Formats: sequence, C-alpha cells, structure tokens
Amino acid sequence: AQSVTQPDIHITVSEGASLELRCNYSYGATPYLFWYVQSPGQGLQLLLKYFSGDTLVQGIKGFEAEFKRSQSSFNLRKPSVHWSDAAEYFCAVGGNSGYSTLTFGKGTMLLVSP
Amino acid sequence: GAGVSQSPSNKVTEKGKDVELRCDPISGHTALYWYRQRLGQGLEFLIYFQGNSAPDKSGLPSDRFSAERTGESVSTLTIQRTQQEDSAVYLCASSWDRILTEAFFGQGTRLTVV
Repeated sequence: AQSVTQPDIHITVSEGASLELRCNYSYGATPYLFWYVQSPGQGLQLLLKYFSGDTLVQGIKGFEAEFKRSQSSFNLRKPSVHWSDAAEYFCAVGGNSGYSTLTFGKGTMLLVSP
Repeated sequence: GAGVSQSPSNKVTEKGKDVELRCDPISGHTALYWYRQRLGQGLEFLIYFQGNSAPDKSGLPSDRFSAERTGESVSTLTIQRTQQEDSAVYLCASSWDRILTEAFFGQGTRLTVV
C-alpha cells in the first residue's frame, strides 16, 4: 500500500530564510509525487509534480522539490520565504497502477515569523 | 464551469439525519475523488470514480457512507444517520483520464453535525 510521511507537523521560519519541508513516501513502483498548498479559507493548489525525468522540479511561487529514489524522499524547498507562504503543505503520492488515486500525508503547517 | 464546484459550501445537520454532498467536476475529467479532512488532520481518501464506476471504495469509513456518479459528471456523497465524528470538510477533486495527472480540488463542503 502506498503511504506518505510528513514528519514535521509545524515549522516556523523567519521571513527571508530558506525552507525545506520533508516528505517520505512508500510506493511499490515508480511514484508520481506532488506537493499541494492549502491557504486559510482556500482550496488545495498544486505547487509542483514529479512524474519522470529530471529529479529536480520547479513549481509555482518559487518552490522546488527534489526526488531522491534512494531515500524515498521528495522534499520541498524555497530559498527565501515570504509571509504569504504561511499555509499548510501536503505531499502526495500516486501512480499508474491499474487505477490511480492520490494518497496524502498529514500535512506540515508553515508559520512565517517577521 | 472552470473549476470543480461543490455544494453546499457549509452544512449543519442534526445527529441522525442524512446529508447529501454534491460535486461538479471539471468538464471532461473522467477521474473523480472524494476526500475527508478532519480538523487538524490530513486528507483521508474516501472513494475514487473512473467514469461512473468506483474501482476503489476502500476509504469509505462505514456503510453509512455511499457515493454515486452519473453521466460521467456529477457525483453525490451521501452520509446516512450522521454522527458527530462525521464533522469534517469533504473535498472533491477531478483529473483527466485514468493516468494520474494533476487533480483539481473544489473548495469543499464543511459539514458540522450537532
């Protein structure tokens, strides 16, 4: 069965500092990996996705993520955090294995301090 | 419409009553998903539709929960004899085809059982 672990429930980062949110997955084949963001009162928005090819993927709002098969990880990074990045971030895994469904982690709440 | 639409946006119901939640996916999207998000929790998978059939119902928490989809379009999630633990935000998402692609989420229905 596929699963996603986001080990950090909350993270606080100073505005302008760098950010890394951790995500580890379990999947039996080549995974499709996603990061979504949920801002207060907003729906889920896709930040970036990895299907194949270059293991470093660029997303919207200056985010990037790196797929590391050997570590079963897909960590999200941003070099300089803005106050507007405060939100909850979800990592998800899925794949083309007969049918497809997305399995989400429990999320990491990002707080940005001035 | 341009995005996934869910109705109602908010629903307050008395314990023991039945509720119906509606999802209008993006036109042409054959895959449709229902998730539940309890307060402070991640997204919990409920059911997945490919067309009008549901190859994966494994996430439905009890036989009080059921869902259907008609015309490869609108889906309805029904909760019978609601309980307080059913209180959550119910999210619907849709995507192209069976091959996993970006899932677009609706704003959700916030269900409160009193």
